[in-house]
Amino acid sequence: SQQGEEDPQALSIQEGENATMNCSYKTSINNLQWYRQNSGRGLVHLILIRSNEREKHSGRLRVTLDTSKKSSSLLITASRAADTASYFCATDERGDTGANSKLTFGKGITLSVRP
Amino acid sequence: DGGITQSPKYLFRKEGQNVTLSCEQNLNHDAMYWYRQDPGQGLRLIYYSQIVNDFQKGDIAEGYSVSREKKESFPLTVTSAQKNPTAFYLCASSIWEGNEQFFGPGTRLTVL
Repeated sequence: SQQGEEDPQALSIQEGENATMNCSYKTSINNLQWYRQNSGRGLVHLILIRSNEREKHSGRLRVTLDTSKKSSSLLITASRAADTASYFCATDERGDTGANSKLTFGKGITLSVRP
Repeated sequence: DGGITQSPKYLFRKEGQNVTLSCEQNLNHDAMYWYRQDPGQGLRLIYYSQIVNDFQKGDIAEGYSVSREKKESFPLTVTSAQKNPTAFYLCASSIWEGNEQFFGPGTRLTVL
């Protein structure tokens, strides 16, 4: 079953603009992660935010987490054509016994940055 | 160079045949995972392993089998029981479960 749902499904912006992508989830999590996938390639980890954190930065990336609303956002500032890719959020849910944690991925957001 | 490799990159199979996809990592990670990705879809977990000689079914394990005889290797066999095997298969590893995952480049399997 899919835990994270990204919004929008597709986003097209001009180079230099900011891109904001959202992710909502349903159950309690330990952490939320964002990944990037270029066409036909494997995923690359971008950033991890823990359930007790509210905001995290990494270069041009800014991630927020609101556990009360069960949502996260990924902001890419000053976008570049090379940012064109699919972006996935993934949630780490821990089972009732505390074991066998695993990531659940959303369907992804397709970002196109026009030069 | 440390990393995770998958082979082959492209694989063609006739209906009714079993096929094994290779996944190797030299990151000294305990946990390894197999995902399936269909066009326009997210990743769905097939199997995962947190330690050598142990593995658990994911959300779509039917028609697949795995083994974890060595820490570095986690091969996936797509059996003839898998009704719709054409997909992009991704292998990943992490230091422990719940941590960031490192992905291989993927294997695209096509059933003819």
